[in-house]
Amino acid sequence: QVQLQESGPGLVKPSQALSLTCSVSGGSINSGSYYWSWVRQPAGGGLEWIGRIYFNGYTNYDPSLKSRVTISADTSKNQFSLRLSSVTAADTAVYYCVRDVAHYYAMDVWGPGTAVTVSS
Amino acid sequence: EIVLTQSPGTLSLSPGERATLSCRASESISSSYLAWYQQKPGQAPRLLVYGASSRATGIPDRFSGSESGTDFTLTISRLEPEDFAVYYCQQYGRLPLTFGGGTKVDIK
Repeated sequence: QVQLQESGPGLVKPSQALSLTCSVSGGSINSGSYYWSWVRQPAGGGLEWIGRIYFNGYTNYDPSLKSRVTISADTSKNQFSLRLSSVTAADTAVYYCVRDVAHYYAMDVWGPGTAVTVSS
Repeated sequence: EIVLTQSPGTLSLSPGERATLSCRASESISSSYLAWYQQKPGQAPRLLVYGASSRATGIPDRFSGSESGTDFTLTISRLEPEDFAVYYCQQYGRLPLTFGGGTKVDIK
């Protein structure tokens, strides 16, 4: 059974970069069957897709965040990562890493989420 | 981007009642590209339905999805206590992937 776990700082200063890692267990990220996505949710708010990476390194990003986002993968560690630069208070949210099934278009496995606060 | 509008914002019902949740897309998308999720407080979302009407593994058959043009519906035939939660629709028809604003189903 595939499990995802986010890790990273819970507090980031404004203008700095937010960096999170998702560790995947029970399955390989080096599979053409899945994308590996990041989704965030501000407190009391809805879900916002940030972007995703495919096993071959191909990435897609939300246009509103594209200039600040980088998603990368380390297949040797079976991890993928999110870097969001120049953060502001508006980036305060719970961040989820998610497995995105390529052939039936749905996010079937979610990490528990990690809360990130942007504050000085 | 494709905007998904969910209605109502809140649905107040009693256990045993039927819940009908709506998701309207701003443009036509294939039914293959619409999913529904359930989220309870403090938890990550859980996949309920993909391809507009296919239940995910382990999802009870009281949950069903349907589609009519740009309108998608999630129906819970008889609400169980554990079904009171927030429900989101999501589209894969075109990047960026987008979610609806959610419908909260709470206890009347």
